Amino acid sequence: NAGVMQNPRHLVRRRGQEARLRCSPMKGHSHVYWYRQLPEEGLKFMVYLQKENIIDESGMPKERFSAEFPKEGPSILRIQQVVRGDSAAYFCASSPLQGHDTEAFFGQGTRLTVV
Amino acid sequence: QKEVEQNSGPLSVPEGAIASLNCTYSDRGSQSFFWYRQYSGKSPELIMSIYSNGDKEDGRFTAQLNKASQYVSLLIRDSQPSDSATYLCAAPPAGGTSYGKLTFGQGTILTVHP
Repeated sequence: NAGVMQNPRHLVRRRGQEARLRCSPMKGHSHVYWYRQLPEEGLKFMVYLQKENIIDESGMPKERFSAEFPKEGPSILRIQQVVRGDSAAYFCASSPLQGHDTEAFFGQGTRLTVV
Repeated sequence: QKEVEQNSGPLSVPEGAIASLNCTYSDRGSQSFFWYRQYSGKSPELIMSIYSNGDKEDGRFTAQLNKASQYVSLLIRDSQPSDSATYLCAAPPAGGTSYGKLTFGQGTILTVHP
């Protein structure tokens, strides 16, 4: 049973380019969460999605960042016009259901470097 | 006050000792707590979850929750060098519907030396 799959593992983008990060949840999981971990900082929630719905995007920067989880295919975190401050590890997590005892499992992450 | 706060450490213990990691939280309505382990350059790995007051044991790990004191801890018995990592305490928001939306503490760096 494959875990949460993220790709690419490493991504290098020049300033101003677009970055697309993909996440396939664990089999049977329909809830996806994106987190960002800046160098020397903790994990910060960005967005929570279910299929075709954004449930909570309270942690998303107001500009340049967007996320989707289409009916078919992986969840995508998109960063437009990247800047050096976007360099971070981006983790996706998934869970099977919703409730106070929800356990979220993380993928291996995408390390984004903006040069 | 941070919602989830941990002693950032670093914490250093000798091999075979008990490592004690602590976490406090500010939201009295929080019902569940999670401990993740993160090796350098790797992703967080869920090692313990606890929902009720008291202790929960799993192998060498024991999680303790005291809701009255808003305190949760993780004990690692017989610490091994392979336990050296950053340990993250996390909790979802009380109420609401975003239970997988976790607030993480800053993490405690644990080093187990031979």
